[in-house]
Amino acid sequence: GAGVSQSPSNKVTEKGKDVELRCDPISGHTALYWYRQSLGQGLEFLIYFQGNSAPDKSGLPSDRFSAERTGGSVSTLTIQRTQQEDSAVYLCASSLGDRDYGYTFGSGTRLTVV
Amino acid sequence: GQNIDQPTEMTATEGAIVQINCTYQTSGFNGLFWYQQHAGEAPTFLSYNVLDGLEEKGRFSSFLSRSKGYSYLLLKELQMKDSASYLCAVRDNDYKLSFGAGTTVTVRA
Repeated sequence: GAGVSQSPSNKVTEKGKDVELRCDPISGHTALYWYRQSLGQGLEFLIYFQGNSAPDKSGLPSDRFSAERTGGSVSTLTIQRTQQEDSAVYLCASSLGDRDYGYTFGSGTRLTVV
Repeated sequence: GQNIDQPTEMTATEGAIVQINCTYQTSGFNGLFWYQQHAGEAPTFLSYNVLDGLEEKGRFSSFLSRSKGYSYLLLKELQMKDSASYLCAVRDNDYKLSFGAGTTVTVRA
C-alpha cells in the first residue's frame, strides 16, 4: 500500500477483555516496529521485527502483550486481559530495512480501556 | 538502557528561531532522527544525522556531535503551523529506534 495502515483507528474495550491491533506495513518494507504513546508522553518501544530474524521483544511491558508478523508483512499486536493503564495510542512504523532511515508511521490505534 | 533527554516545552514568536536540544546516552549509535508530531497525528520524519555536523533542509537544520552525545534541531522563520511536538530518536547498535519524550513547541503570533 501507499502508507502504513493500522486498524482499528479507535478501540474501546472493557477491562479484562483481549484486543487485537493490526498493522499493514508499506509493501516491501522488511522492518516493522510497534510503539505505545500515552497522553502527552513520548514513544515507548514495544517490539521490533526485521525480516526473518527473531523479533526484539525487549520493550513488551508484560506477558499480557504479544505480537506476531505473518508472512513478513501484516503484524498483529495482542493485549490479553486489558487493564486501564494499557490505554494509549499504539503506533506502528515500517522501513525498507533496519539500516534505512525512512521510517514511516501509521496513524495509530487509540485504545481506551474502561 | 537508553536515555534521551530534551526539554518539555518551548515557546517562540512567529518569524523567530528556536533551537531544540537533545542529549543521549545509548548502547551504541547508528543514527539520530528528528520527527515532527502534530496533535492527534502520526510522527513525520524531519531529519537524519549519522556523521558529525550540520544537515540543512530548508527552514529546518539538525546538528550532531557524537563525542558529546548531543544534537539540536533548529527551526528558522517560525510559522504558526510549526506548533507541534518534536521528537528526538536514536538508533542503537541493535538498530532499535528509541525516542525522547518530545518537546512541545508553541508558536505565538
